[in-house]
Amino acid sequence: KNEVEQSPQNLTAQEGEFITINCSYSVGISALHWLQQHPGGGIVSLFMLSSGKKKHGRLIATINIQEKHSSLHITASHPRDSAVYICAVRNRMGGTSYGKLTFGQGTILTVHP
Amino acid sequence: EPEVTQTPSHQVTQMGQEVILRCVPISNHLYFYWYRQILGQKVEFLVSFYNNEISEKSEIFDDQFSVERPDGSNFTLKIRSTKLEDSAMYFCASSRGAARNQPQHFGDGTRLSIL
Repeated sequence: KNEVEQSPQNLTAQEGEFITINCSYSVGISALHWLQQHPGGGIVSLFMLSSGKKKHGRLIATINIQEKHSSLHITASHPRDSAVYICAVRNRMGGTSYGKLTFGQGTILTVHP
Repeated sequence: EPEVTQTPSHQVTQMGQEVILRCVPISNHLYFYWYRQILGQKVEFLVSFYNNEISEKSEIFDDQFSVERPDGSNFTLKIRSTKLEDSAMYFCASSRGAARNQPQHFGDGTRLSIL
């Protein structure tokens, strides 16, 4: 069973600050998702990565497979970035695994103007 | 961009009643999932569905739960006799494949409130 831990649990920032959210997991994976959950509850997928680094606008996600660790960075943060950010891992394929995700507890980000 | 749609957005049901949550996955997707999130807790896996059958389920997914793809477009989650502890946000997701380069796409969720 994969244990997924995120830090910090809560993060408050001023507009413009550089933000980092961390995710670690206990068992080797095939892929990792970074998700964004808005106050209404809906989930949006930001990134899926299995190695290296991906960038989309002001968001950057990195993963280190050997260290079982991923980070989500937000550059030049803005109040509209305020949301819950969730890391979710897909276990390695094999046996009866059909791609189910195991989720972290989420990081609540609040960006003040 | 195609998206996963879920209805209703909010369902209020009396304890003991049956409830059906509906999802329309993205049309060329083959793998379907239900997850739930109890208020204040992590999102949890319930069940995955492929090739018209359950491919994996969690210990949460007991005999009170069932899933169906009745018409090739809808994907439903039925809870036969709801309990108070079934109150949660239920998310449907779909993907084109289960390989590591195939992301899951989520619906906006159905908030289920059991009274």
